[in-house]
Amino acid sequence: NAGVMQNPRHLVRRRGQEARLRCSPMKGHSHVYWYRQLPEEGLKFMVYLQKENIIDESGMPKERFSAEFPKEGPSILRIQQVVRGDSAAYFCASSTGTGLYEQYFGPGTRLTVT
Amino acid sequence: DQQVKQNSPSLSVQEGRISILNCDYTNSMFDYFLWYKKYPAEGPTFLISISSIKDKNEDGRFTVFLNKSAKHLSLHIVPSQPGDSAVYFCAASVVAAGNKLTFGGGTRVLVKP
Repeated sequence: NAGVMQNPRHLVRRRGQEARLRCSPMKGHSHVYWYRQLPEEGLKFMVYLQKENIIDESGMPKERFSAEFPKEGPSILRIQQVVRGDSAAYFCASSTGTGLYEQYFGPGTRLTVT
Repeated sequence: DQQVKQNSPSLSVQEGRISILNCDYTNSMFDYFLWYKKYPAEGPTFLISISSIKDKNEDGRFTVFLNKSAKHLSLHIVPSQPGDSAVYFCAASVVAAGNKLTFGGGTRVLVKP
């Protein structure tokens, strides 16, 4: 049973380009969470999605960031017109549901903006 | 506004001894607490959790204690092993609000052989 998968593991983008990060949850998990870890900081919640629905995006920057979790395929976190401050590790986690369910994390995507 | 705080950025302990990691929170709505371990360049790995209706949960070498009145939880690792050297994060959530995790800043643990 494969764990949470994220790709790419490393992504380099120039300022102004788009970054697209993918997350495939664990088999049987329909709840996906995205977190961001800036250098020397803890992880911060960005967005919570279920299939075809954004449930909570209270941690997402208002501009340039969007997320989706389509009926088929992985969850996508998209960052348009990247800036140097977007350089961070982006982690995806999945769980079987809300309630007393732990979240399992993927290995992360390290985004570097040059 | 840091709702979850780990006041010790680092901890050094001898192999075989107990490691005690502490975490404080301010949001009284939190009702589910978790500890994760993280190695460099990897994602966090779930260790142990506790709900607010309990004050202790044990799993092998790991025990989590919750003191609701003090808004404090701790993780005990005994005996500590060199492979336990990592950064440990405590996290808290409000189950009814979708379980999004609020993390502390982490404690780096070094277990010396």
